[in-house]
Amino acid sequence: QVQLVESGGGLVKPGGSLRLSCVASGFTFSDYYMTWIRQAPGKGLEWVSYISANGNYTKYADSVKGRFTISRDNAKNSLFLQMNSLRVEDTAVYYCARDATTVRSDSFDIWGQGTMVTVSS
Amino acid sequence: DIQMTQSPSSLSASVGDRVTITCQANQDINYHLNWYQQKPGRAPRLLIYDVSDLETGAPSRFSGSGSGTDFSFTISSLQPEDVATYYCQQYETLPHFGQGTKVEIK
Repeated sequence: QVQLVESGGGLVKPGGSLRLSCVASGFTFSDYYMTWIRQAPGKGLEWVSYISANGNYTKYADSVKGRFTISRDNAKNSLFLQMNSLRVEDTAVYYCARDATTVRSDSFDIWGQGTMVTVSS
Repeated sequence: DIQMTQSPSSLSASVGDRVTITCQANQDINYHLNWYQQKPGRAPRLLIYDVSDLETGAPSRFSGSGSGTDFSFTISSLQPEDVATYYCQQYETLPHFGQGTKVEIK
């Protein structure tokens, strides 16, 4: 079935780095924009970044610009988020999500289960 | 930046009640408004897209309406399985979510 599975979360010190992965199955991954969305503990949803279907176009929230890099490997049905210079306020569950259409719609119809990132000394 | 103000932040209603949540944008977002449901410990689920279109598989008791800056989401007859937090999301510009409305059963 259509599925997204994230991995790579964990505990990291402020200033550290972490790389999240999201593996897709059940659909043609290379046809869709993909997105990372995060949720701090007990808080709401925050869009983080998206990447075009072919990987040539990316966009970031101001809160992560210059520190996070989104990428994808369509041959491996995989999405990534490289997170550098991590801050305490980056602590959150990180979800990968699929755009609902093959033309970017910024509506997210398939979500992974999330991976927890904790930034703490 | 487009900001979304969602209200109320929480509500408690009885099974069978009609429940309405509102979302207001600080500028015109046309029809670029979605609604999501998030149950505790779960990922969000898309329920309504483009203001009023019901996502495949979503129950018909969920509906959305509005235009411009003012939008609403309605559960026509609240069910126990609807206990969740609901979020609006605009995509006129970069995606941005409302603060969420926690729905509980009285």
